[in-house]
Amino acid sequence: EAGVVQSPRYKIIEKKQPVAFWCNPISGHNTLYWYRQNLGQGPELLIRYENEEAVDDSQLPKDRFSAERLKGVDSTLKIQPAELGDSAVYLCASSQRGSGNTIYFGEGSWLTVV
Amino acid sequence: DAKTTQPTSMDCAEGRAANLPCNHSTISGNEYVYWYRQIHSQGPQYIIHGLKNNETNEMASLIITEDRKSSTLILPHATLRDTAVYYCIVKDNAGNMLTFGGGTRLMVKP
Repeated sequence: EAGVVQSPRYKIIEKKQPVAFWCNPISGHNTLYWYRQNLGQGPELLIRYENEEAVDDSQLPKDRFSAERLKGVDSTLKIQPAELGDSAVYLCASSQRGSGNTIYFGEGSWLTVV
Repeated sequence: DAKTTQPTSMDCAEGRAANLPCNHSTISGNEYVYWYRQIHSQGPQYIIHGLKNNETNEMASLIITEDRKSSTLILPHATLRDTAVYYCIVKDNAGNMLTFGGGTRLMVKP
């Protein structure tokens, strides 16, 4: 069974440019998460989806960040415009109710803003 | 979710057992203990979780004290590839997010 798939794996952009990350969760997982991980720190939740509904986006900086999960499967996370402080790893994760609710992570998308 | 406390770093000799402690003194009755690890440049990897009984799988064993205020993750025969940051997280199994602390940086040495 395929795990959580993310792309791109690495991205370098200049500040003020837009960037987008894509995530394909594990098949059948209805809950999808986006986390951000700064260097040397643990991941922090940005947004959580239940199917296509964003049920927790309290930590998402809404002035420049947006996310969507059309059809309740794949998701994209966008930053526009990017700032130097957005350099981080963006992790997507998914889980399924009824299977212990264990959360599984993708490999992450490494963003460097220069 | 309850907060956890872990040592910042630990060393272990290759081939020996690695015992990683975690304190979760404020854990409530319906909260599980989850362990994840993160190898450099990879996403967090699920290892094991438990409620009150000890658990074992192909990766590790989880020992939870009777009062549930602490636990130990055991890697029975550590290899160099087990070098990673190990996170202990307490979560209600109905809860929908993981709150990560700083974790323990385990260095397995030859």
